Amino acid sequence: AQTVTQSQPEMSVQEAETVTLSCTYDTSESDYYLFWYKQPPSRQMILVIRQEAYKQQNATENRFSVNFQKAAKSFSLKISDSQLGDAAMYFCAYRTYTGTASKLTFGTGTRLQVTL
Amino acid sequence: NAGVTQTPKFQVLKTGQSMTLQCAQDMNHEYMSWYRQDPGMGLRLIHYSVGAGITDQGEVPNGYNVSRSTTEDFPLRLLSAAPSQTSVYFCASRDYRGSNQPQHFGDGTRLSIL
Repeated sequence: AQTVTQSQPEMSVQEAETVTLSCTYDTSESDYYLFWYKQPPSRQMILVIRQEAYKQQNATENRFSVNFQKAAKSFSLKISDSQLGDAAMYFCAYRTYTGTASKLTFGTGTRLQVTL
Repeated sequence: NAGVTQTPKFQVLKTGQSMTLQCAQDMNHEYMSWYRQDPGMGLRLIHYSVGAGITDQGEVPNGYNVSRSTTEDFPLRLLSAAPSQTSVYFCASRDYRGSNQPQHFGDGTRLSIL
């Protein structure tokens, strides 16, 4: 079974600074997808960024980028120019590549605080 | 386009009561799923469905029942509520035709069992 580990329960960053959230995963498969979801106090689950394991290029979405290290099974999220609105829980998630029944496995989350 | 709609948003039950959490999506997604979110444990999969008439168990299915009579709806039933089922429940859907498509989540239902 796949597992996803987020070793940082809480992180803090000053506004306009850069922060990196860590995520590691365990799998024996070679093709899969990785996601970062943001959950603000409103409780919504919002997709931040996704990465296909077969792509060597790291995904980027505006101020959000990932450092995907397939051999190390690491998938960290970098937030640049942090804003107050970035304060939220962040979840890393893994999904197998094949099959309609492929399931999403979540990490336990990292709570990000953004300070002035 | 409403996306994934969950009702109710909040509910308080007594131990032993039964109830149904509703989930509907208007995106014609075949894949739907239910998760529960507990402090310090992330989201865990309860049940999922890959299409009308097809359901299967996830990681934590005990005490819950699902059915999928239409593509749009995927209700979650608590058969006899227990305090251990106090949690926030999320319904999600996905278009399986694009294998890299992300899950779309509802806004969640906060359920308290007394």
